[in-house]
Amino acid sequence: RKEVEQDPGPFNVPEGATVAFNCTYSNSASQSFFWYRQDCRKEPKLLMSVYSSGNEDGRFTAQLNRASQYISLLIRDSKLSDSATYLCVVNIRQAGTALIFGKGTTLSVSS
Amino acid sequence: GAGVSQSPSNKVTEKGKDVELRCDPISGHTALYWYRQSLGQGLEFLIYFQGNSAPDKSGLPSDRFSAERTGGSVSTLTIQRTQQEDSAVYLCASSTLDRLRGGYTFGSGTRLTVV
Repeated sequence: RKEVEQDPGPFNVPEGATVAFNCTYSNSASQSFFWYRQDCRKEPKLLMSVYSSGNEDGRFTAQLNRASQYISLLIRDSKLSDSATYLCVVNIRQAGTALIFGKGTTLSVSS
Repeated sequence: GAGVSQSPSNKVTEKGKDVELRCDPISGHTALYWYRQSLGQGLEFLIYFQGNSAPDKSGLPSDRFSAERTGGSVSTLTIQRTQQEDSAVYLCASSTLDRLRGGYTFGSGTRLTVV
């Protein structure tokens, strides 16, 4: 089983739609969680951290379910500029080692 | 510097040649990471530095790959006797020790093509 799994998509939605991505992780000792965004042929950039209580940043809401070991990202009122690949990221081991990246979910928002 | 700087941005090399990729992290970031991303694939962890030491080299795919970091700053990733399967984008990232909160900052990568 892969350490971080995501539905690759693509998710094709119209502007203004609400879209949700899920991600599952295999190691219950995972400590920290993030969503990154990667535009075509660009480097990944941190979108938001994911906290146990859930957190919101404008149109983006992230949630963590430790019991089920999944993370979600909800995007409301999608914009054309939201088109990108969204990477689910976890820190599985203790401090001092690398983040583990999922392969990403591709979102395409059309007018 | 203001961000993570990588050079060269593109590199085309002949199979069997050695290549050296450079990463200049954000000033003050003690942790430095190398990843690679093949076409259509996810990020594959290669090696992690804390200061000048590399406590985690578990991702290096073969002994043709090596990396070093000097002065707690610049890092170089060396690939010897390159093979076509080494073609990928090599990404460097840096972070503070408090990674749990902030995640990483990536450079724009080196696109390596082995012909």
